[in-house]
Amino acid sequence: NAGVTQTPKFRVLKTGQSMTLLCAQDMNHEYMYWYRQDPGMGLRLIHYSVGEGTTAKGEVPDGYNVSRLKKQNFLLGLESAAPSQTSVYFCASNHPLGQGTDRASYNEQFFGPGTRLTVL
Amino acid sequence: GEDVEQSLFLSVREGDSSVINCTYTDSSSTYLYWYKQEPGAGLQLLTYIFSNMDMKQDQRLTVLLNKKDKHLSLRIADTQTGDSAIYFCAERIGGFKTIFGAGTRLFVKA
Repeated sequence: NAGVTQTPKFRVLKTGQSMTLLCAQDMNHEYMYWYRQDPGMGLRLIHYSVGEGTTAKGEVPDGYNVSRLKKQNFLLGLESAAPSQTSVYFCASNHPLGQGTDRASYNEQFFGPGTRLTVL
Repeated sequence: GEDVEQSLFLSVREGDSSVINCTYTDSSSTYLYWYKQEPGAGLQLLTYIFSNMDMKQDQRLTVLLNKKDKHLSLRIADTQTGDSAIYFCAERIGGFKTIFGAGTRLFVKA
């Protein structure tokens, strides 16, 4: 089991460029999430998905789009990158509460290793 | 609103106990968690406590929950240099939403 993987690990963009971050999980999880981590601010939810073909906005969705065409993949897109989007991006996934293994009964989220994005 | 607060830094000597504190605002939380983040890695669940419990012990870890004061703490006994990391307090509210604190960076001095 690879768990949750993210590509790329690092990226530097110029203002106005676009890119897509890819998250993949092999645990058959229904729920997937994109967070950003900034110093002193913890994790903030950007977008999430409760199943294939569905997405919803989180706490800080502006400037980002997402797609969940396959259950195992969750893509995060930046159409026109801005310096304020410099951050570390984490993908996470889990089962709905009470489903799956014992670990799902308390809704543990499984995180990828992160993508460090710098926008100049 | 929903908020989880924790201090940003803690420094202890190797062998001492570490206590990391957290306060949260949403009284409807069902589970509260401590996640650990090592350098260059994602978060990993360290331990959790159900909201109807007031204490949970797991080897060197003790979690205390004061629901009245909305206060959660994590005690690490016999802290080792390998415990140096960022520790995130988090609460689960609603159907799937998890609110994370800003993280406490634990420094362990040899």
